[in-house]
Order: sequence, then structure tokens, then C-alpha cells
Amino acid sequence: GEDVEQSLFLSVREGDSSVINCTYTDSSSTYLYWYKQEPGAGLQLLTYIFSNMDMKQDQRLTVLLNKKDKHLSLRIADTQTGDSAIYFCAESDNGGYQKVTFGTGTKLQVIP
Amino acid sequence: DTAVSQTPKYLVTQMGNDKSIKCEQNLGHDTMYWYKQDSKKFLKIMFSYNNKELIINETVPNRFSPKSPDKAHLNLHINSLELGDSAVYFCASSQDEGGEQYFGPGTRLTVT
Repeated sequence: GEDVEQSLFLSVREGDSSVINCTYTDSSSTYLYWYKQEPGAGLQLLTYIFSNMDMKQDQRLTVLLNKKDKHLSLRIADTQTGDSAIYFCAESDNGGYQKVTFGTGTKLQVIP
Repeated sequence: DTAVSQTPKYLVTQMGNDKSIKCEQNLGHDTMYWYKQDSKKFLKIMFSYNNKELIINETVPNRFSPKSPDKAHLNLHINSLELGDSAVYFCASSQDEGGEQYFGPGTRLTVT
């Protein structure tokens, strides 16, 4: 079955860039997502990228996709304390009603 | 103007009880989902409904029964609750196209 993997923890200093990495196994992935979960809150869709794209930029967020290596990354520029959260990578294929497979999540800690 | 809402937010109950969690979306989406997030923050899909019809039914105990009275609602009923059912349950919705899922705030279920 599909598998999505992420490192569990990342710590950065405020103002630095954060890079959260993700690998997936499903070669038929069509959409790849990044979700943010703040403490006690639900998941918030941050951004997503279609599998035929290499990069997508949205303000401080940059998503890079290496489809050959099945590697996805999320870069947060000028990381702020409000960016502290758990970030989930997820993928879905084109096989029906948007079944999404999530990674285990990466906890980002921003040190002031 | 909440997009996806769940009630209750917290649910504490004893083993053996039957309980329901309600979910409503006002986005006009056709597809709704239930996810379970365990203590390690790993999200796993349980069910997906499209226009009130069951689409995805992952391997969950048959004590869990989703019910969709209309396409804006997907409720989760759980019979004979067990300790291992303790988790946060997230409802989500999406259009058929686009691949974006919008999540509710989650319901933290604690079985004692």
C-alpha cells in the first residue's frame, strides 16, 4: 500500500529557514499536500502541488517535488514562533474519491 | 461561517457505552471523510462518503458506523466503546475535483 514518511522532529531558530522533508512510495500520486496542525486544532491545508510540477511558491512557503526520487519538501523562510506546529505531508492518487494518505507528521519547534 | 464543524469537541465516556460524533460542512462539497488520529499523531482514514454513499471503508471494527443523512452531514456512531478507541477523530470534506480536503477541529474521545 501507499506509504508516506517524515522525520518526527525539527528545531530551528527564529528567523532561519526551516526545511521539512517527506518521501512517499506511490508512483501514481497525483496531488501532494502540506498540512499544518497547531496544538489543539484541526488540520489546515497550507499548500499542495500537482505531480507534474517541480516547485510551487506561496509567500514564505516553497514546495519542491522530486518525482523521480518521490521526495517532497516544504521550506519556510524567515521562520516565526507562530510557525511552531506539526506539519503533515500527504499524497493522493487519481484513483477515485480523494483518498489521502498522510505521513506521521514533523513537529517543528521554533526557538526565539 | 465555520466550514467544517464537529460536535462535541471533547467526549469522555466509559467502556461499553455507545456514542456519536456529528459533522457538518457548509461548503457544498460532495465528499466527506472520517479520520482517526492516534496518540502518535498519525492520521488514518476510516470512511469516505460521496453524495451520501459509502466510497471508502478502511479496516475498522464494525462497531464504527458512519451515517450520512444528507451530503452536508456525516456522523460517526461508535458502539461498545473500548479503551483503544481513545483518539482524536477528524471530519473532513472535499469536492470531487481539486484534491483539497478541509478539516474540522477534531473531537477528542477519551474512553475510561
